Amino acid sequence: GAVVSQHPSWVICKSGTSVKIECRSLDFQATTMFWYRQFPKQSLMLMATSNEGSKATYEQGVEKDKFLINHASLTLSTLTVTSAHPEDSSFYICSARPISGRYNEQFFGPGTRLTVL
Amino acid sequence: AQSVAQPEDQVNVAEGNPLTVKCTYSVSGNPYLFWYVQYPNRGLQFLLKYITGDNLVKGSYGFEAEFNKSQTSFHLKKPSALVSDSALYFCAVATGGGNKLTFGTGTQLKVEL
Repeated sequence: GAVVSQHPSWVICKSGTSVKIECRSLDFQATTMFWYRQFPKQSLMLMATSNEGSKATYEQGVEKDKFLINHASLTLSTLTVTSAHPEDSSFYICSARPISGRYNEQFFGPGTRLTVL
Repeated sequence: AQSVAQPEDQVNVAEGNPLTVKCTYSVSGNPYLFWYVQYPNRGLQFLLKYITGDNLVKGSYGFEAEFNKSQTSFHLKKPSALVSDSALYFCAVATGGGNKLTFGTGTQLKVEL
């Protein structure tokens, strides 16, 4: 149980295009989903927290107009990287917190590797 | 603000030997502590957590961790390392009621034959 999927697992796009990444909780409902960014050989940096049906909360320094987050249902959150540039190339990981979750339980997706040419 | 320190970028150990991956934390309030493992190009897999109770926590794949409040540490241990344990290990902390996990910088564990 507690499986989180991400789609796509990897994507290559041209500079200036937009890319959408999906995060789904497959066997549980998630009130809260989190989006992280990980640079090579570095730790995970929280980008934003999204709650179903409300606006996402972005961490300081993260451009909300560039990284659009939608949490339309209790099992799906999407991250759209708008007008992507090479510096947006990174590994993006989502996590989901179950409705019944305790003690800050989060289950992580497998990640999406974004490469912007 | 909460923070986590993993002082070692890399730990090397021979297969069959015990391993320790170090983690110290700083929080105000009671900490919730977690260990995750990451294999190349994959997301994080949960290993174990400390919330309350027994200071020695047992987790997946034979790993365990000991919560030491006086030393603000939560070191990850395994009695006998396997080559397949080679991966990147992250320690994380959260405080009660908070959603945010704060991660350490990660420790690359390399287990050699």
